[in-house]
Amino acid sequence: QKEVEQDPGPLSVPEGAIVSLNCTYSNSAFQYFMWYRQYSRKGPELLMYTYSSGNKEDGRFTAQVDKSSKYISLFIRDSQPSDSATYLCAMRYYNTDKLIFGTGTRLQVFP
Amino acid sequence: DAGVTQSPTHLIKTRGQQVTLRCSPKSGHDTVSWYQQALGQGPQFIFQYYEEEERQRGNFPDRFSGHQFPNYSSELNVNALLLGDSALYLCASNFWDRGDSPLHFGNGTRLTVT
Repeated sequence: QKEVEQDPGPLSVPEGAIVSLNCTYSNSAFQYFMWYRQYSRKGPELLMYTYSSGNKEDGRFTAQVDKSSKYISLFIRDSQPSDSATYLCAMRYYNTDKLIFGTGTRLQVFP
Repeated sequence: DAGVTQSPTHLIKTRGQQVTLRCSPKSGHDTVSWYQQALGQGPQFIFQYYEEEERQRGNFPDRFSGHQFPNYSSELNVNALLLGDSALYLCASNFWDRGDSPLHFGNGTRLTVT
């Protein structure tokens, strides 16, 4: 079993839809949780960075962490074609910078 | 504000050869990490450098080695290349002394081994 599980998609939605992306993890020792966006032929770009359980909002993006269920989510409101990319969840333990990534979910937003 | 820069962007090598990839961290950052991303997969941690020393290493063989220079830039070396080493190699940087310093990634070097 992988430490971090993420549905690879692809996920195809119409412009304006609310998108929900999810990851589950097996190790309760993970303390920091991140979402990265990766466009084709580019490196991952940090979108959201959270430490505790609960919600964190930044513009159209909301990150949610449920440590009791070992489940994290990223919600994208009013999705745009420019949001079409691969979304990677990542997490790490308290005393290390080493990130454990999911496989990424490919999102396509069509006009 | 210069982000993480990597060179070259693309590289084609033959099995058995050696390769060196280069990285300059984001301005102000002192710690560099390297990741390997195979097609359709998430990045996998190779190692991390701070103060010119390897601080942490992932599950990669000794064929993978690195170096950090006094100006914080870094190199990744891979010897005796295998076909399975074909991947996108990503460099990331952050601050060593800040416990919650997130990683910032470069656009990577795409290595093809034939």
